[in-house]
Amino acid sequence: QVQLQQSGPGLVKPSQTLSLTCAISGDSVSSNSAAWNWIRQSPSGGLEWLGRTYYQSKWYNNYAVSVKSRITVNPDTSKNQFSLQLNSVTPDDTAVYYCARGWAKHGMDVWGQGTTVTVSS
Amino acid sequence: QSALTQPASVSGSPGQSITISCTATSSDVGDYNYVSWYQQLPGKAPKLMIYDVSNRPSGVSNRFSGSKSGNTASLTISGLQTEDEADYYCSSYASSTLVVFGGGTKLTVL
Repeated sequence: QVQLQQSGPGLVKPSQTLSLTCAISGDSVSSNSAAWNWIRQSPSGGLEWLGRTYYQSKWYNNYAVSVKSRITVNPDTSKNQFSLQLNSVTPDDTAVYYCARGWAKHGMDVWGQGTTVTVSS
Repeated sequence: QSALTQPASVSGSPGQSITISCTATSSDVGDYNYVSWYQQLPGKAPKLMIYDVSNRPSGVSNRFSGSKSGNTASLTISGLQTEDEADYYCSSYASSTLVVFGGGTKLTVL
């Protein structure tokens, strides 16, 4: 059974960097048959895909246009996890952040528990 | 404004069937053949219920079914149960941003 366990701070100051980690059990971040995603949900409820990393002979990353200049998603093969870094955050980045396994075309079949992140001074 | 439009709310009585629509308003989703549906219970992460328009992941009740006609995808729940009360989101592959979500539909079981 695949499980994703998220960790990271729940409060970030404006202009600083939001950092979250998603630890994988039951699968491998280096799997050729999975992509590892970050998705957030705003306080109003809307879901927004942010980015992903996946391995197919080499590592690939894709990011949403809305955050492309500020986001990095990195795999950590030594710990079998992947991370999200979002720079220069503003209160608009306040949301519940989820990590998830899946492909853009076929849905996200495993989700982390979610981390509520508030951007406030 | 989302590229996928859902009704804000739907309701039904136990035992009835309901359908939630998801209309694509952008050509970015192409032929709209990669539609997924998620159920989100209060305080929980979304759960994949349907993928590739009409396929159910293992373990999802066959009371949940998906279909598509033109640029409108639909999720149908038959034999409505109180535990089906949740928010439902559609999602689609999109060529420019990879994944787009609908705004969500709140299902109330009366």
